[in-house]
Amino acid sequence: SQQGEEDPQALSIQEGENATMNCSYKTSINNLQWYRQNSGRGLVHLILIRSNEREKHSGRLRVTLDTSKKSSSLLITASRAADTASYFCATVDPRYSGGSNYKLTFGKGTLLTVNP
Amino acid sequence: GAGVSQSPSNKVTEKGKDVELRCDPISGHTALYWYRQSLGQGLEFLIYFQGNSAPDKSGLPSDRFSAERTGGSVSTLTIQRTQQEDSAVYLCASSSRRILSSGANVLTFGAGSRLTVL
Repeated sequence: SQQGEEDPQALSIQEGENATMNCSYKTSINNLQWYRQNSGRGLVHLILIRSNEREKHSGRLRVTLDTSKKSSSLLITASRAADTASYFCATVDPRYSGGSNYKLTFGKGTLLTVNP
Repeated sequence: GAGVSQSPSNKVTEKGKDVELRCDPISGHTALYWYRQSLGQGLEFLIYFQGNSAPDKSGLPSDRFSAERTGGSVSTLTIQRTQQEDSAVYLCASSSRRILSSGANVLTFGAGSRLTVL
């Protein structure tokens, strides 16, 4: 079963605007990650937020985590055309939260289009 | 190598044929994952290798799918008697044990192998 689900499925904005994507998950987590996938390419890790953190920044990225609501958001400020990509949240399958067996499960992603 | 390498990048095959997809992870990365991404879908976990431990094969969709990892490095995903529903992008990723021991694992993905079954 899918652990994380992104919302919205697709988002279209103008260059310079901010983009917000949300992720909801079902069970307790140790950390949550966001990845980006450009068309025809593999996924690239963007940022990781641990369960004891509420907010994290990296350049134009801001991630929040609300464990009480089992949700996270990714904010991209001052978007650029190059930010056009699919964005995925990923969490560790709780069945493997201990030991060395870490299985990341991904949502279906949000397709972000930034128009010049 | 500098990144995760996958080959072939594109493979077109006829229904019923066998295919092999190769993944060369980052040198020193002990964890290796295979995922499948169908059009417009998220990533579907297939199999996970960690060092010399028994692989987690829980995501393999049928017994037509198998994977091996030789010498703790290169991995091959084999699909026998391919079906049209096997058409997808097969993504390989690797991760460092150092990252795992910190309580978090960050995956580095290859560009994927796009499989089309006619």
